[in-house]
Amino acid sequence: GEQVEQRPPHLSVREGDSAVITCTYTDPNSYYFFWYKQEPGASLQLLMKVFSSTEINEGQGFTVLLNKKDKRLSLNLTAAHPGDSAAYFCAVSATGNYKYVFGAGTRLKVIA
Amino acid sequence: EAAVTQSPRNKVAVTGGKVTLSCNQTNNHNNMYWYRQDTGHGLRLIHYSYGAGSTEKGDIPDGYKASRPSQENFSLILELATPSQTSVYFCASGDNWGGQDTQYFGPGTRLLVL
Repeated sequence: GEQVEQRPPHLSVREGDSAVITCTYTDPNSYYFFWYKQEPGASLQLLMKVFSSTEINEGQGFTVLLNKKDKRLSLNLTAAHPGDSAAYFCAVSATGNYKYVFGAGTRLKVIA
Repeated sequence: EAAVTQSPRNKVAVTGGKVTLSCNQTNNHNNMYWYRQDTGHGLRLIHYSYGAGSTEKGDIPDGYKASRPSQENFSLILELATPSQTSVYFCASGDNWGGQDTQYFGPGTRLLVL
């Protein structure tokens, strides 16, 4: 079945720097990709959902890149600020399969 | 956005006891999910449901049962709780749109089994 590897498990950056989190997946039928943010003690908040047909997706303060050839999904936080400190999880699902496979998460700390 | 609530938010149970975790969603989503979250593992799927009366085994169903008596409610049942089931449990509902699910999560239940 699908396996998702997320790197790095921990990331510390200074305020204003960029932060990049990457997920690699194994199933070539994966079509839907999700990024969630989890602040300490809180639930998971959907950041962005990405479809296989779009390789670059921009949100507020971040960009999601999808490289289908390498089966790699990345979240790039530009100009990180302390409010971005949280755990980030990628999730992957295939067409017609509602189940997600989650990455193990990245704990991001933004130092002021 | 789906409104998903869970109860209780915190629970302390004894080994061998029965624990029921409840989840309610008010957005009329067909799909519902139970996950557990442990450090280093992300979220792992325990059981899920495609609608009232249906339950399916997820990736780690052993030691858990699920019940979906209505569209709104989905319960996770630990018949004989063990310390290894100490974890944070999240319920989610999925909007089942366009051939895929966008899942919306509840606030979580922190379970400690002594």
